[in-house]
Amino acid sequence: EAGVAQSPRYKIIEKRQSVAFWCNPISGHATLYWYQQILGQGPKLLIQFQNNGVVDDSQLPKDRFSAERLKGVDSTLKIQPAKLEDSAVYLCASSFGFATYNEQFFGPGTRLTVL
Amino acid sequence: GDSVTQMEGPVTLSEEAFLTINCTYTATGYPSLFWYVQYPGEGLQLLLKATKADDKGSNKGFEATYRKETTSFHLEKGSVQVSDSAVYFCALSGAGGTSYGKLTFGQGTILTVHP
Repeated sequence: EAGVAQSPRYKIIEKRQSVAFWCNPISGHATLYWYQQILGQGPKLLIQFQNNGVVDDSQLPKDRFSAERLKGVDSTLKIQPAKLEDSAVYLCASSFGFATYNEQFFGPGTRLTVL
Repeated sequence: GDSVTQMEGPVTLSEEAFLTINCTYTATGYPSLFWYVQYPGEGLQLLLKATKADDKGSNKGFEATYRKETTSFHLEKGSVQVSDSAVYFCALSGAGGTSYGKLTFGQGTILTVHP
């Protein structure tokens, strides 16, 4: 079974530039998550989708971050314009549903460096 | 809101030593509890989980018991190997209100095992 795919794996940009990350979840998983993991910390949830609808985006800085999940499969996360503090690993995860006991499966992440 | 606190790291052990990584949580209701592991250069993967009080999760020689009375989920292994060197994250999946089904992570504990 193929895992969660993410691209690119690494990205270096200058502040005020824009960047986009792509995620392809495990086939059949209806729930998709984007997390931000700053060095030395645990992942923090940015946004959660159920199929192609947003369940929770309360932690997403909406003035610069946006995300979409077209057709309930792939998803993209965009940052525009980037700030220095956005340097982090961006993780995508998926699960069959969003019940408390459901396991989330994580992709390898995209490491973003903002200079 | 929900929160997870892990013991301060890093932890350095010799091969075959006993491992304990403490984890305590604050949450409403009955969350599910997880330990995720991140090996060098790899993504987060589920190590074990427990979904109700007194449940014991186990995998690869690691164990953790869901203790509702002490709000704890400590990770243990009787004899660690060099290959166990990784970052370990304790997490909970919320059971109430807006936190339902969302993962909240601890800050992570770096484990290094020497031969």
